[in-house]
Amino acid sequence: GQQVMQIPQYQHVQEGEDFTTYCNSSTTLSNIQWYKQRPGGHPVFLIQLVKSGEVKKQKRLTFQFGEAKKNSSLHITATQTTDVGTYFCAGYTGNQFYFGTGTSLTVIP
Amino acid sequence: NAGVTQTPKFRILKIGQSMTLQCTQDMNHNYMYWYRQDPGMGLKLIYYSVGAGITDKGEVPNGYNVSRSTTEDFPLRLELAAPSQTSVYFCASSPGTGVYSNQPQHFGDGTRLSIL
Repeated sequence: GQQVMQIPQYQHVQEGEDFTTYCNSSTTLSNIQWYKQRPGGHPVFLIQLVKSGEVKKQKRLTFQFGEAKKNSSLHITATQTTDVGTYFCAGYTGNQFYFGTGTSLTVIP
Repeated sequence: NAGVTQTPKFRILKIGQSMTLQCTQDMNHNYMYWYRQDPGMGLKLIYYSVGAGITDKGEVPNGYNVSRSTTEDFPLRLELAAPSQTSVYFCASSPGTGVYSNQPQHFGDGTRLSIL
């Protein structure tokens, strides 16, 4: 079946360091979304990528969609304690979204 | 604007009991979804609906049922609760028309369900 894998599962960084999470799909995706979930909270939409090779930025966050539309990445520059949470990708294919397993980010002050 | 509202927030069930998780949205979204999230895992799609009167199975539908009689409401029914259904359940909605939507999803706060 369809699988969307994310690595790493956990990441601990010192405040100010950079952070990257990677998302890989077994099949080509129509588009991909990224969500952030704070501890005890619900997923909150961050961004959507549609085009092959697309790059989007939101302040310190940079999102990329691979040329083959099978992988994506989220990079955070100079992490802050407010970045703590789990970051999920969700790939769209076959009329459904398939969520990745998430990367849990801990930021050490 | 309340967005997506789920009730109850917490529930403990005994094996074999049944219950309905409620979900309502006030954004007039056509699409609604039910997900379950197990500890340390991503979200798995249980059922979804593209509009009132239309529902379809997701990745993990076994043991659950849904209905969509109105645009606003999308309840999830557990008929015979099993320990494997212990999870956090999230309802979501998204805008769009047609047979599918790839629009951003708006999530409720979740229902934390334990089955003992």
